[in-house]
Amino acid sequence: QAVVTQEPSLTVSPGGTVTLTCGSSTGAVTSGHYPYWFQQKPGQAPRTLIYETSNKHSWTPARFSGSLLGGKGALTLSGAQPEDEAEYYCLLSYSGARRTWVFGGGTKLTVL
Amino acid sequence: EVQLVESGGGLVQPGGSLRLSCAASGFTFSNYWMGWVRQAPGKGLEWVANINQDGSEKAYVDSVKGRFTISRDNAKNSLYLQMNSLRAEDTAVYYCLGGDYAGYWGQGTLVTVSS
Repeated sequence: QAVVTQEPSLTVSPGGTVTLTCGSSTGAVTSGHYPYWFQQKPGQAPRTLIYETSNKHSWTPARFSGSLLGGKGALTLSGAQPEDEAEYYCLLSYSGARRTWVFGGGTKLTVL
Repeated sequence: EVQLVESGGGLVQPGGSLRLSCAASGFTFSNYWMGWVRQAPGKGLEWVANINQDGSEKAYVDSVKGRFTISRDNAKNSLYLQMNSLRAEDTAVYYCLGGDYAGYWGQGTLVTVSS
């Protein structure tokens, strides 16, 4: 199965902007991979932030946005808050006989 | 209020079996695909299996094919994961996931495979 890659860790200053990326071992990430982004804080279940590249759930803070950037999926945080410190995971869908899903390894985001 | 509540986790010996359940409420369960995701201690998320709305289509990660079976009972608003031939590497918190654009997660149930 494919391998999905993310930055292991990133740091952003409070109020700053950071972009997390999500790459695929099979080539460019496209909208056909239906990229999802999840946030997980220590001791909690994950929470879905972004679905199908750029769509937000009702609970997704406006400062988060999703896109495709340079052949990768991207999650941009604009105006980072201390509560945004968390692990972020992307998920890509791969078509085949059965549509399968692969998570990236996660990005530990520090707000400092 | 939307809820997904997993149950059925516990300690099992290698080679043993467990059946996880996920009880859904607060949304129209039968309208959505559902899935299982796991997280080994201190590790990242791993997709395990998906099932479509009527149960006719299922998909699995390679490492569980032939050992795990996902199923659902729409009349009972419930999702299941039958896990056979369990291995130490299956030790993880298992989450059920689904609903409107994968918006809903359970709190997870811990499965420990150890002798």
